[in-house]
Amino acid sequence: KAGVTQTPRYLIKTRGQQVTLSCSPISGHRSVSWYQQTPGQGLQFLFEYFSETQRNKGNFPGRFSGRQFSNSRSEMNVSTLELGDSALYLCASSSGTSGITGELFFGEGSRLTVL
Amino acid sequence: DQQVKQNSPSLSVQEGRISILNCDYTNSMFDYFLWYKKYPAEGPTFLISISSIKDKNEDGRFTVFLNKSAKHLSLHIVPSQPGDSAVYFCAAFALGGATNKLIFGTGTLLAVQP
Repeated sequence: KAGVTQTPRYLIKTRGQQVTLSCSPISGHRSVSWYQQTPGQGLQFLFEYFSETQRNKGNFPGRFSGRQFSNSRSEMNVSTLELGDSALYLCASSSGTSGITGELFFGEGSRLTVL
Repeated sequence: DQQVKQNSPSLSVQEGRISILNCDYTNSMFDYFLWYKKYPAEGPTFLISISSIKDKNEDGRFTVFLNKSAKHLSLHIVPSQPGDSAVYFCAAFALGGATNKLIFGTGTLLAVQP
């Protein structure tokens, strides 16, 4: 079955702009999580959506937001971009049932560069 | 507050030898641990996991060891192959939580020399 699809793969923005990233999870998966990867920081958890509801949120400012649609596709938005927002943004999907392995299936990521 | 730590940013190993990647955690609520492997320009892929009720889990060339008292786990790759060269992330998870929030370490870049 098709994997996790993220678009766009690469984008360049300037400070102050806003950006929207999209993620289509594996068919049948209801949970979508977003992570930010930067050098030296590993993967930092942004938020998780399950059945259109935000189920958990990491320690990021309110400029980072997301949503999930009824078909489980998810978008994340970053407003008022800062240079430090340059990173690889990874989306991961899972079935979302609590108490299972926690294994996530990642997309290839969206590489954001803020100039 | 880095709850999952990988203190070695990089590791270089000769082909055929053992690679040992280490990971420490601070949160005693974590009860499930996973290792992910990441190649450049690709997303991380799941490699192996271990529950806190075990101290060892083996899958082919990959073995994960868990020392709960020391809050330490390690990934052993034997024998190491050039194709194993990648960034390895350790991740932790609290099974009792109603969420799939994984806490990741900062990663270790493994280079296997032919």
